[in-house]
Amino acid sequence: EAQVTQNPRYLITVTGKKLTVTCSQNMNHEYMSWYRQDPGLGLRQIYYSMNVEATDKGDVPEGYKVSRKEKRNFPLILESPSPNQTSLYFCASGLAEAYEQYFGPGTRLTVT
Amino acid sequence: GDSVTQMEGPVTLSEEAFLTINCTYTATGYPSLFWYVQYPGEGLQLLLKATKADDKGSNKGFEATYRKETTSFHLEKGSVQVSDSAVYFCALNNQGGKLIFGQGTELSVKP
Repeated sequence: EAQVTQNPRYLITVTGKKLTVTCSQNMNHEYMSWYRQDPGLGLRQIYYSMNVEATDKGDVPEGYKVSRKEKRNFPLILESPSPNQTSLYFCASGLAEAYEQYFGPGTRLTVT
Repeated sequence: GDSVTQMEGPVTLSEEAFLTINCTYTATGYPSLFWYVQYPGEGLQLLLKATKADDKGSNKGFEATYRKETTSFHLEKGSVQVSDSAVYFCALNNQGGKLIFGQGTELSVKP
Protein backbone atom coordinates (compact mmCIF):
# COMPACT_ATOMS: atom_id res chain seq x y z
CA GLU A 1 0.00 0.00 0.00
CA ALA A 2 1.31 3.43 -1.00
CA GLN A 3 1.67 5.50 2.10
CA VAL A 4 3.56 7.99 4.23
CA THR A 5 4.26 6.76 7.74
CA GLN A 6 5.25 8.77 10.78
CA ASN A 7 6.48 7.67 14.19
CA PRO A 8 5.63 8.19 16.90
CA ARG A 9 2.00 9.21 16.51
CA TYR A 10 1.89 10.76 19.97
CA LEU A 11 4.75 12.09 22.07
CA ILE A 12 4.91 13.95 25.36
CA THR A 13 8.33 15.24 26.31
CA VAL A 14 10.04 17.86 28.42
CA THR A 15 11.79 21.06 27.45
CA GLY A 16 15.30 20.52 26.15
CA LYS A 17 15.16 16.77 25.59
CA LYS A 18 16.21 16.04 22.02
CA LEU A 19 13.75 14.09 19.92
CA THR A 20 13.34 12.78 16.39
CA VAL A 21 10.12 12.19 14.51
CA THR A 22 10.60 9.77 11.66
CA CYS A 23 8.91 9.95 8.27
CA SER A 24 9.06 7.34 5.55
CA GLN A 25 7.36 7.00 2.16
CA ASN A 26 7.21 4.01 -0.17
CA MET A 27 6.17 5.83 -3.36
CA ASN A 28 9.65 6.75 -4.61
CA HIS A 29 8.78 10.44 -4.34
CA GLU A 30 11.52 13.01 -4.79
CA TYR A 31 9.82 15.70 -2.75
CA MET A 32 9.25 15.50 1.01
CA SER A 33 8.17 18.13 3.48
CA TRP A 34 7.25 18.77 7.11
CA TYR A 35 4.32 20.93 8.21
CA ARG A 36 2.96 21.91 11.56
CA GLN A 37 -0.71 22.53 12.21
CA ASP A 38 -1.81 24.92 14.92
CA PRO A 39 -5.31 26.21 15.76
CA GLY A 40 -6.00 29.49 14.03
CA LEU A 41 -2.77 29.32 12.05
CA GLY A 42 -3.54 26.47 9.68
CA LEU A 43 -0.66 24.46 8.24
CA ARG A 44 2.77 25.97 7.88
CA GLN A 45 5.80 24.47 6.21
CA ILE A 46 8.85 23.80 8.37
CA TYR A 47 11.38 22.27 5.96
CA TYR A 48 11.29 20.58 2.61
CA SER A 49 13.53 18.46 0.44
CA MET A 50 13.52 18.28 -3.34
CA ASN A 51 15.70 15.17 -3.37
CA VAL A 52 18.41 13.30 -1.49
CA GLU A 53 20.89 15.62 0.20
CA ALA A 54 18.83 18.67 -0.83
CA THR A 55 16.92 20.35 2.00
CA ASP A 56 15.67 23.89 2.45
CA LYS A 57 13.82 26.03 4.96
CA GLY A 58 10.12 26.60 4.85
CA ASP A 59 8.21 29.32 6.66
CA VAL A 60 8.89 28.28 10.26
CA PRO A 61 12.25 26.44 10.42
CA GLU A 62 13.53 27.84 13.72
CA GLY A 63 14.17 25.14 16.29
CA TYR A 64 14.05 22.27 13.80
CA LYS A 65 16.53 20.27 11.76
CA VAL A 66 16.05 17.74 9.00
CA SER A 67 18.16 15.38 6.94
CA ARG A 68 17.61 13.48 3.69
CA LYS A 69 20.21 10.77 3.39
CA GLU A 70 17.86 8.33 1.65
CA LYS A 71 15.05 9.03 -0.74
CA ARG A 72 12.40 7.35 1.38
CA ASN A 73 13.21 8.91 4.77
CA PHE A 74 12.98 12.48 6.03
CA PRO A 75 13.30 12.72 9.82
CA LEU A 76 12.45 15.87 11.76
CA ILE A 77 14.81 16.64 14.63
CA LEU A 78 14.12 18.91 17.57
CA GLU A 79 17.48 19.44 19.25
CA SER A 80 16.09 21.32 22.25
CA PRO A 81 12.29 21.29 22.20
CA SER A 82 10.39 24.15 23.77
CA PRO A 83 6.69 24.46 24.72
CA ASN A 84 5.97 26.61 21.65
CA GLN A 85 6.77 23.56 19.54
CA THR A 86 3.74 21.79 20.93
CA SER A 87 1.79 21.09 17.78
CA LEU A 88 0.46 18.53 15.31
CA TYR A 89 3.13 17.65 12.76
CA PHE A 90 2.57 16.24 9.30
CA CYS A 91 5.05 14.77 6.87
CA ALA A 92 4.19 14.83 3.18
CA SER A 93 5.70 13.55 -0.04
CA GLY A 94 5.11 14.00 -3.75
CA LEU A 95 6.53 13.80 -7.23
CA ALA A 96 8.44 17.01 -7.82
CA GLU A 97 6.62 17.86 -11.01
CA ALA A 98 3.12 16.90 -9.90
CA TYR A 99 2.85 19.53 -7.18
CA GLU A 100 0.32 17.45 -5.22
CA GLN A 101 1.44 15.96 -1.94
CA TYR A 102 0.43 12.96 0.14
CA PHE A 103 0.32 13.27 3.89
CA GLY A 104 1.18 11.03 6.77
CA PRO A 105 -1.23 10.47 9.68
CA GLY A 106 0.35 13.13 11.89
CA THR A 107 2.37 13.24 15.10
CA ARG A 108 0.91 15.05 18.07
CA LEU A 109 3.77 16.49 20.11
CA THR A 110 3.42 18.02 23.55
CA VAL A 111 6.42 19.75 25.15
CA THR A 112 6.05 20.55 28.84
CA GLY B 1 3.59 36.61 -1.17
CA ASP B 2 1.18 33.94 -2.23
CA SER B 3 -1.82 33.35 -0.01
CA VAL B 4 -5.13 31.49 0.22
CA THR B 5 -8.28 32.73 1.89
CA GLN B 6 -11.17 30.46 2.80
CA MET B 7 -14.57 31.20 4.20
CA GLU B 8 -14.66 30.86 7.93
CA GLY B 9 -16.40 27.98 9.59
CA PRO B 10 -17.88 26.12 11.10
CA VAL B 11 -20.43 25.39 8.43
CA THR B 12 -23.39 23.33 9.59
CA LEU B 13 -25.72 21.73 7.04
CA SER B 14 -28.47 19.19 7.01
CA GLU B 15 -27.97 15.96 5.11
CA GLU B 16 -28.63 16.31 1.35
CA ALA B 17 -28.10 20.08 1.42
CA PHE B 18 -25.97 21.86 -1.17
CA LEU B 19 -22.45 22.76 -0.09
CA THR B 20 -20.26 25.64 -1.16
CA ILE B 21 -16.99 26.51 0.53
CA ASN B 22 -15.41 29.63 -0.90
CA CYS B 23 -11.71 29.85 -1.63
CA THR B 24 -9.79 32.70 -3.21
CA TYR B 25 -6.10 33.01 -3.78
CA THR B 26 -3.36 35.52 -4.44
CA ALA B 27 -0.39 34.32 -6.45
CA THR B 28 1.96 35.31 -9.19
CA GLY B 29 2.00 33.16 -12.27
CA TYR B 30 -0.12 30.07 -12.64
CA PRO B 31 -0.35 28.01 -9.48
CA SER B 32 -1.87 24.57 -9.15
CA LEU B 33 -4.88 24.49 -6.81
CA PHE B 34 -6.01 21.77 -4.43
CA TRP B 35 -8.66 20.83 -1.94
CA TYR B 36 -7.61 18.61 0.93
CA VAL B 37 -9.90 17.03 3.52
CA GLN B 38 -9.04 16.13 7.10
CA TYR B 39 -11.35 13.73 8.88
CA PRO B 40 -11.29 13.75 12.69
CA GLY B 41 -8.06 12.33 14.05
CA GLU B 42 -6.58 11.73 10.62
CA GLY B 43 -4.08 13.29 8.25
CA LEU B 44 -4.88 15.31 5.16
CA GLN B 45 -6.17 13.55 2.08
CA LEU B 46 -6.07 15.03 -1.38
CA LEU B 47 -9.69 15.52 -2.46
CA LEU B 48 -9.27 17.12 -5.88
CA LYS B 49 -6.96 19.32 -7.89
CA ALA B 50 -6.77 21.63 -10.90
CA THR B 51 -3.57 22.63 -12.60
CA LYS B 52 -4.64 25.32 -15.07
CA ALA B 53 -7.33 27.90 -15.65
CA ASP B 54 -10.85 26.55 -16.34
CA ASP B 55 -9.88 23.05 -15.21
CA LYS B 56 -12.51 21.34 -13.10
CA GLY B 57 -11.36 18.95 -10.42
CA SER B 58 -13.85 16.38 -9.15
CA ASN B 59 -13.92 13.48 -6.74
CA LYS B 60 -16.52 11.75 -4.52
CA GLY B 61 -19.22 14.16 -5.70
CA PHE B 62 -17.18 17.24 -4.90
CA GLU B 63 -16.21 19.70 -7.63
CA ALA B 64 -14.15 22.86 -7.94
CA THR B 65 -13.32 24.97 -10.99
CA TYR B 66 -10.12 26.96 -11.38
CA ARG B 67 -11.27 30.52 -12.15
CA LYS B 68 -8.30 32.69 -12.98
CA GLU B 69 -10.38 35.78 -13.68
CA THR B 70 -11.78 35.75 -10.15
CA THR B 71 -8.77 33.96 -8.57
CA SER B 72 -11.15 31.47 -7.01
CA PHE B 73 -11.47 27.73 -6.50
CA HIS B 74 -14.76 27.21 -4.68
CA LEU B 75 -15.64 23.72 -3.48
CA GLU B 76 -19.15 22.44 -4.17
CA LYS B 77 -21.18 19.32 -3.58
CA GLY B 78 -24.79 18.85 -4.57
CA SER B 79 -25.91 16.68 -1.67
CA VAL B 80 -23.79 16.31 1.44
CA GLN B 81 -23.80 13.30 3.73
CA VAL B 82 -23.02 12.94 7.42
CA SER B 83 -19.81 11.18 6.41
CA ASP B 84 -18.63 14.42 4.71
CA SER B 85 -18.19 16.06 8.11
CA ALA B 86 -14.54 17.11 8.21
CA VAL B 87 -12.22 20.06 7.85
CA TYR B 88 -11.59 21.18 4.28
CA PHE B 89 -8.43 22.99 3.23
CA CYS B 90 -7.88 24.93 0.04
CA ALA B 91 -4.24 25.10 -1.04
CA LEU B 92 -2.01 26.29 -3.84
CA ASN B 93 1.40 25.28 -5.09
CA ASN B 94 3.24 27.81 -7.15
CA GLN B 95 6.83 26.66 -7.08
CA GLY B 96 6.83 22.90 -7.34
CA GLY B 97 7.35 22.65 -3.61
CA LYS B 98 5.59 24.42 -0.82
CA LEU B 99 1.87 24.05 -0.42
CA ILE B 100 0.24 27.20 0.90
CA PHE B 101 -2.94 26.44 2.81
CA GLY B 102 -6.00 28.37 3.74
CA GLN B 103 -7.14 28.32 7.35
CA GLY B 104 -9.47 25.41 6.85
CA THR B 105 -13.26 25.25 7.01
CA GLU B 106 -14.96 22.87 9.38
CA LEU B 107 -18.06 21.23 7.95
CA SER B 108 -20.62 19.54 10.15
CA VAL B 109 -23.48 17.64 8.49
CA LYS B 110 -26.47 16.74 10.65
CA PRO B 111 -28.83 13.82 9.88
